[in-house]
Amino acid sequence: DAEITQSPRHKITETGRQVTLACHQTWNHNNMFWYRQDLGHGLRLIHYSYGVQDTNKGEVSDGYSVSRSNTEDLPLTLESAASSQTSVYFCASSEQGRYGYTFGSGTRLTVV
Amino acid sequence: AQKVTQAQTEISVVEKEDVTLDCVYETRDTTYYLFWYKQPPSGELVFLIRRNSFDEQNEISGRYSWNFQKSTSSFNFTITASQVVDSAVYFCALSEATGNTPLVFGKGTRLSVIA
Repeated sequence: DAEITQSPRHKITETGRQVTLACHQTWNHNNMFWYRQDLGHGLRLIHYSYGVQDTNKGEVSDGYSVSRSNTEDLPLTLESAASSQTSVYFCASSEQGRYGYTFGSGTRLTVV
Repeated sequence: AQKVTQAQTEISVVEKEDVTLDCVYETRDTTYYLFWYKQPPSGELVFLIRRNSFDEQNEISGRYSWNFQKSTSSFNFTITASQVVDSAVYFCALSEATGNTPLVFGKGTRLSVIA
C-alpha cells in the first residue's frame, strides 16, 4: 500500500544545531507540503513543492529550507534550530489540492 | 485571499449530545473545495470529507453530517449522539479548484466529549 512516512517521530536537539526532518511518500504525488502545528495557530504552511526541483515558501518559512531532488522525498531542514521552532511538523502529499492531502504521522521536535 | 475561520476554539459536550462545529470560509473563486479533517489524541490527521462548491447537498455518514451553504459561506459539521471517541481536534480546510495553491486550514476546534 502507498504511504507517506516521516522520520524521526520524536527529536530533541540543541539551539543552533542543524536538523533535517525526513518525509517520504510512495503515492507518486507531485505535490508535497510541510506544515507546523502549534497550539492556537492550527496548521501553518512552511514550504511546499509541486514537483522535482520546484520549491516554494509558505507563510512561516523563515529559518527553514527544503529541496526536491526526486518525487518521493521532501526533507525539511532547520538551518540553526531555535526554541521557537519547537513544534509538531506534518508532511503531506497530494495529486492535486482539490483532492485533499494525505498526511504523515508527524514529527515532534523539541529545541532546548 | 482565501481564509477559513473556525470561531469555536474548544467545545465540551456530554456523551450523546449533538454538537455542531462551525466553519466559515472566504474565497474569490467560483469553484473550490472544502474539507474536514479529524485529529484524534494520537495525533494523526484523518480525512473526513471533501465537498466541491457546485454540490450543495448535505451529506450524512453515520452520525456525521455536513451542511454546506454557499449563501453564508459556511460548511458546518454536526456529530449526532456524540461519543467519547469523537474527542479530537477538527480542522476545516479550503482549496481553490486548480490546485495551484496549498490548502488553507482553519485553526481547528477541539471537541471534548465527556462520558
